Amino acid sequence: DIQMTQSPSSLSASVGDRITITCRASQYISSYLNWYQQKPGKAPKLLIYAASSLQSGVPSRFSGSGSGTDFTLTISSLQPEDFATYYCQQSYSTPYTFGQGTKLEIK
Amino acid sequence: QVQLVQSGAEVKKPGASVKVSCKASGYTFTSYYMHWVRQAPGQGLEWMGIINPSGGSTSYAQKFQGRVTMTRDTSTSTVYMDLSSLRSEDTAVYYCARAPEYSSSSDYWGQGTLVTVSS
Repeated sequence: DIQMTQSPSSLSASVGDRITITCRASQYISSYLNWYQQKPGKAPKLLIYAASSLQSGVPSRFSGSGSGTDFTLTISSLQPEDFATYYCQQSYSTPYTFGQGTKLEIK
Repeated sequence: QVQLVQSGAEVKKPGASVKVSCKASGYTFTSYYMHWVRQAPGQGLEWMGIINPSGGSTSYAQKFQGRVTMTRDTSTSTVYMDLSSLRSEDTAVYYCARAPEYSSSSDYWGQGTLVTVSS
């Protein structure tokens, strides 16, 4: 199975900050990397697919980059509604594993 | 609009089976794959498997092989996830999630179904 490792596991930031979350795959996954946002008690929401494509309706302050094994999710200017947990997922080969999550908290 | 509506919460005893349903609407049911993902309390997301509603083919995570069965009913646009030999570690919220292609992201998710396994 492909292991997905996110860093950091948690992050404290302020409204207006620029933050970056990293996701590393244990083997090559091309650009088959997706990012989700999850708020407590809710289903995950797709933000970025294919490493860098913004899902329809998602604000442009979210962006993704990377290919191969190293990927990043960037939020350019944090808004109050962005405080949540973020997961990366590889869809290169089954099982389509997720990272352990990054909890973004208000400083 | 696309909707995935899952069945209600379940409480099961160890060793029992549970069948969770996911009814799709607002799109052509057979044109999208469906994943099942679960989340134990306070934990991360775990991929369980995928079904192609068009032909019914499936692929399961090795961890669940032999215990999980995913099926579909095209007449009602519903997919099902059956998990047997339940143990306490199976207590989780189970989600269905639509995917445009086999190796793609999940763009719409169901609301989740809490399955509690307790004696």
